[in-house]
Amino acid sequence: GENVEQHPSTLSVQEGDSAVIKCTYSDSASNYFPWYKQELGKRPQLIIDIRSNVGEKKDQRIAVTLNKTAKHFSLHITETQPEDSAVYFCAADDYKLSFGAGTTVTVRA
Amino acid sequence: EAGVAQSPRYKIIEKRQSVAFWCNPISGHATLYWYQQILGQGPKLLIQFQNNGVVDDSQLPKDRFSAERLKGVDSTLKIQPAKLEDSAVYLCASSEDRANQPQHFGDGTRLSIL
Repeated sequence: GENVEQHPSTLSVQEGDSAVIKCTYSDSASNYFPWYKQELGKRPQLIIDIRSNVGEKKDQRIAVTLNKTAKHFSLHITETQPEDSAVYFCAADDYKLSFGAGTTVTVRA
Repeated sequence: EAGVAQSPRYKIIEKRQSVAFWCNPISGHATLYWYQQILGQGPKLLIQFQNNGVVDDSQLPKDRFSAERLKGVDSTLKIQPAKLEDSAVYLCASSEDRANQPQHFGDGTRLSIL
């Protein structure tokens, strides 16, 4: 089955700086890679996703990159704001979704 | 559109008791998922339905967990008997199709076992 590793486990950034979270996956059959944001006590919310035929995707301050050869993908958040503070999960979908362990992002005002 | 609905939001039971969770997916979504999220971890898939058929239940502890999706819409997840290690948030999600589609999550049921 798929194994997704996520780093770092915690990330503290100054407001306005960028945040980068990296994930690796094991199954070359995976072809869909969503990212979820989960605030304390709330549901995971899809913030961006990328498919294997695309190398990069942007949505305002959020971007995701995918390197299929190296089997890794990354989330980039620019101009971070306090409301970006949350736990972020990456996931990889071969025939089912496997999640990373999560990154707790804290944006310092 | 209305999101994925789950109930109850919280449940406290003693070990060896039974408990059931309910999920109503987004209208028209064929695929429904149940996940277990232990504190500090990512969600782990327990079971996946396509309409009212089971697609994957390889990580469902079948000696104590059961799930059904009658008529291909609502679903229930049951635990009987509960163990201490079952304390977790149980999340339901749905998607339009099984293959690589965005999954939308409900608020979950936080289960505490005493």
